[in-house]
Amino acid sequence: DSGVTQTPKHLITATGQRVTLRCSPRSGDLSVYWYQQSLDQGLQFLIQYYNGEERAKGNILERFSAQQFPDLHSELNLSSLELGDSALYFCASSVSYGTDHYGYTFGSGTRLTVV
Amino acid sequence: AQRVTQPEKLLSVFKGAPVELKCNYSYSGSPELFWYVQYSRQRLQLLLRHISRESIKGFTADLNKGETSFHLKKPFAQEEDSAMYYCALRNNNDMRFGAGTRLTVKP
Repeated sequence: DSGVTQTPKHLITATGQRVTLRCSPRSGDLSVYWYQQSLDQGLQFLIQYYNGEERAKGNILERFSAQQFPDLHSELNLSSLELGDSALYFCASSVSYGTDHYGYTFGSGTRLTVV
Repeated sequence: AQRVTQPEKLLSVFKGAPVELKCNYSYSGSPELFWYVQYSRQRLQLLLRHISRESIKGFTADLNKGETSFHLKKPFAQEEDSAMYYCALRNNNDMRFGAGTRLTVKP
């Protein structure tokens, strides 16, 4: 599968815990984007990496961090989890980071439930 | 600041009827606009790009800079069009999505 792969698909954890979500971009894509989708907030942009470097930040909490590794996979770390962090977390990738007129390829998401 | 507004959270039409999903944007530069679709239990996927002026699955969308709109249209809706539709605006590194419209096509 040459698309965007996200693991795990589902995650249930307790408040105060820390989790790591993983994303492998589509083959050839250098940019990775993280989005949070919750019922009341829609799709919120969190952060973007291009070829290992952070390029843009959106509404990402200080408790959250991310990185992109030399093999281009990315991890989103969520710490001190709260009930309100329960959401679907999407990763997307694209070829570049500029105006290339192409959209993003999305992964199937990780559903995080904080109990 | 860039913003995307989809005024309808829910839209329901009968099979064979025309459908229009509204999208308005605010952006000071030249926008790049997209429509994404999310079918039940599937990932978000790109449906249309304004730059390509294409028709996908019978859907079209025209950028109207005067009205700052990018409405998605289809003349004859099909049941398989039932899905969540998101309008998105891209500014270099930043793709902003609207809240989405859930389209239901009834038989």
